[in-house]
Amino acid sequence: GDSVTQMEGPVTLSEEACLTINCTYTATGYPSLFWYVQYPGEGLQLLLKATKADDKGSNKGFEATYRKETTSFHLEKGSVQVSDSAVYFCALLPTGANSKLTFGKGITLSVRP
Amino acid sequence: DTGVSQDPRHKITKRGQNVTFRCDPISEHNRLYWYRQTLGQGPEFLTYFQNEAQLEKSRLLSDRFSAERPKGSFSTLEIQRTEQGDSAMYLCASSPTGGASYEQYFGPGTRLTVT
Repeated sequence: GDSVTQMEGPVTLSEEACLTINCTYTATGYPSLFWYVQYPGEGLQLLLKATKADDKGSNKGFEATYRKETTSFHLEKGSVQVSDSAVYFCALLPTGANSKLTFGKGITLSVRP
Repeated sequence: DTGVSQDPRHKITKRGQNVTFRCDPISEHNRLYWYRQTLGQGPEFLTYFQNEAQLEKSRLLSDRFSAERPKGSFSTLEIQRTEQGDSAMYLCASSPTGGASYEQYFGPGTRLTVT
C-alpha cells in the first residue's frame, strides 16, 4: 500500500541555518505530494504541494521538488526563523483519487534564537 | 469564511461511555474527511463523505465508530463504549470538488482522553 517515510527527529537549528527535511514515498502511479505544518496549539495547515513530477512547490520561503526518479519530496529552506518552529508532515494523495491522504510520522523542528 | 470548525476541542470521558464530536466544514466544500492522530504519529484516515454519502471507511473504524453527514453539511463522529486506546486527536478536514479538490483544509481537532 501507499506509505510516506520521513527522517527521524526532532531537529534543532539556530536561526538563519539551512533546513532540509527528507521525505520519501511509496505509491503506484503519480500521486500528489504535500507538506503540512502544525504550529503549537493549532491545526494542520497546507504549506506547499506538487501534483506532478518535477513540480516545485513553494511557500513562506520553503520549497520542495517532486522527484519521481528518487520518489522523494524533501522540504528545504535557506534561512529558518524562530517562527518556523512546528511539526512538519509529508503526505501523499493517490493518483486519480480525491480521498484519503497518507501522512508520514511528522518531524518536530525547533529553531533557537 | 471561518474555516473548518470542530466541537468540542477537548473531551475527557470514562471508559465505556459514548462520545460524539461535531465538524462543520467550509461552507462550499462537498467533501468531508475524518482522521485520527495519536501522539508522535501522523494523521490516519478514518472515513470520507461526498455530500451526505459515506464513500470510504478505513479498517481502523471499528463497529464502535459511526460517522454521519445527514444533510451534506456538518458531520458527527460517534464512538460507543470508549476504550483507552481511543484516546487521540480526531481531525476533520474538508475539500471542494473540481480542480482544487486535492487540497484538504483541516480543523483544529478534538482531543479525546479516555480514563
